[in-house]
Amino acid sequence: AQKITQTQPGMFVQEKEAVTLDCTYDTSDQSYGLFWYKQPSSGEMIFLIYQGSYDEQNATEGRYSLNFQKARKSANLVISASQLGDSAMYFCAMYKVFGNEKLTFGTGTRLTIIP
Amino acid sequence: SQTIHQWPATLVQPVGSPLSLECTVEGTSNPNLYWYRQAAGRGLQLLFYSVGIGQISSEVPQNLSASRPQDRQFILSSKKLLLSDSGFYLCAWSVGGQRSYEQYFGPGTRLTVT
Repeated sequence: AQKITQTQPGMFVQEKEAVTLDCTYDTSDQSYGLFWYKQPSSGEMIFLIYQGSYDEQNATEGRYSLNFQKARKSANLVISASQLGDSAMYFCAMYKVFGNEKLTFGTGTRLTIIP
Repeated sequence: SQTIHQWPATLVQPVGSPLSLECTVEGTSNPNLYWYRQAAGRGLQLLFYSVGIGQISSEVPQNLSASRPQDRQFILSSKKLLLSDSGFYLCAWSVGGQRSYEQYFGPGTRLTVT
C-alpha cells in the first residue's frame, strides 16, 4: 500500500523568502509519480508540479521546484520568493503508474505568508 | 479547452435525507472520473473512480454510491445521509485511455449534514 506523510501541519514564512514543504512517501512500487497540489481557501485543487520516479532531473515549474530524493523517499516542494498569494493548503500526492488510476494524498500543510 | 463543473456549490441536508451531487466535464471525451471527499482540515480521500460509462470502482465501503450515466457525467448519491458524510466533495477528471497522471479538479461541493 502507498502512504504519503506530510509532517508540517502549518508553516509561517516571511514574504519573498523561500520555503520548503516536506513530503515523504512509502511504496514498494518501482514506477510511480509524485505531485503537489495547492488548495486556496476557495477549495479548488490546483496542480503545481509532477515528478516521475524515473525522472533523473528534479522537476521545476516557475517558482516551484520538487526536491526529489529517491533513496530517502522524499519529494519536498520548494517555493522560491514566496508571495502573499501562496498562502494556502499544500498537498503531496502519489500515483501508482501500473495500478488503478488513483492518487493517494497526504494530510497537507497550511502555508501562511506574512507580509 | 476542458472545464469541469460541480453542482451544487454548497448544500445543507438533514440526517437521513437523500443526496445527489453532479459533476460534468466539457471539452474532452472518455475521461477518467473521480469523486474525492475532504473532511475538515484533512487530506483527500478517494471515494469512487470510473474509466467509462457504467464502470464504477469503489475505494471505501460506505453509504454512498456513484453512477456514470453519460460519458462526461458523474453522480454521487446517497439514500440516507449520515452526520459523518459532511465534508467537501471534489470531482476530478484525467485523460482516459492512457496512463495519464494529472488530475484536474472541479470547484467542489461543501456538504453539511445536520
